Amino acid sequence: DQQVKQNSPSLSVQEGRISILNCDYTNSMFDYFLWYKKYPAEGPTFLISISSIKDKNEDGRFTVFLNKSAKHLSLHIVPSQPGDSAVYFCAANTRGGADGLTFGKGTHLIIQP
Amino acid sequence: NAGVTQTPKFRILKIGQSMTLQCTQDMNHNYMYWYRQDPGMGLKLIYYSVGAGITDKGEVPNGYNVSRSTTEDFPLRLELAAPSQTSVYFCASSYNYYGYTFGSGTRLTVV
Repeated sequence: DQQVKQNSPSLSVQEGRISILNCDYTNSMFDYFLWYKKYPAEGPTFLISISSIKDKNEDGRFTVFLNKSAKHLSLHIVPSQPGDSAVYFCAANTRGGADGLTFGKGTHLIIQP
Repeated sequence: NAGVTQTPKFRILKIGQSMTLQCTQDMNHNYMYWYRQDPGMGLKLIYYSVGAGITDKGEVPNGYNVSRSTTEDFPLRLELAAPSQTSVYFCASSYNYYGYTFGSGTRLTVV
């Protein structure tokens, strides 16, 4: 049973426009959410995170929104750049959970020139 | 600053062979993790460790073993390799429960 779901395997966006990547979760015990970015033949790298006590966190061009009642979070990238083309993983953890992050399957973002 | 180093980067094993995937971190992180990623899938946790001498199973531990004798090293052992273990393996370390640093991965093929 998937606890973190990314229902869009791929997303194509024009350069300069907004990219919106979505993630849903089922475990109400999750209280910390992260986005990782992965290029081919490399390991995932941390992008941005949000605690369950917040509904928005912003870092430069990247903003993550959390809707706890809907168990939904989204990553907004504005403006989208060619270097943003990568696979984006949504991940979640429980309070005090040292037993590893739970990852979604990922969304392949393609930025079109 | 090397971060998390995984060796080898690629390996082909025959069914029934064994091997050890090496993982070393130089950030003095207590937490270390092994994940596997199958095509089109997310990362699934194999084993994790919260400190030297302490290890525990993750979601998919069958067919694997780990040890953590030092803070820096967290090797993953595959015994009796099977085709189902064909995957990309990622090691990660963190200073808390969230701030993971990943290695670049080991691509393993079992034939």
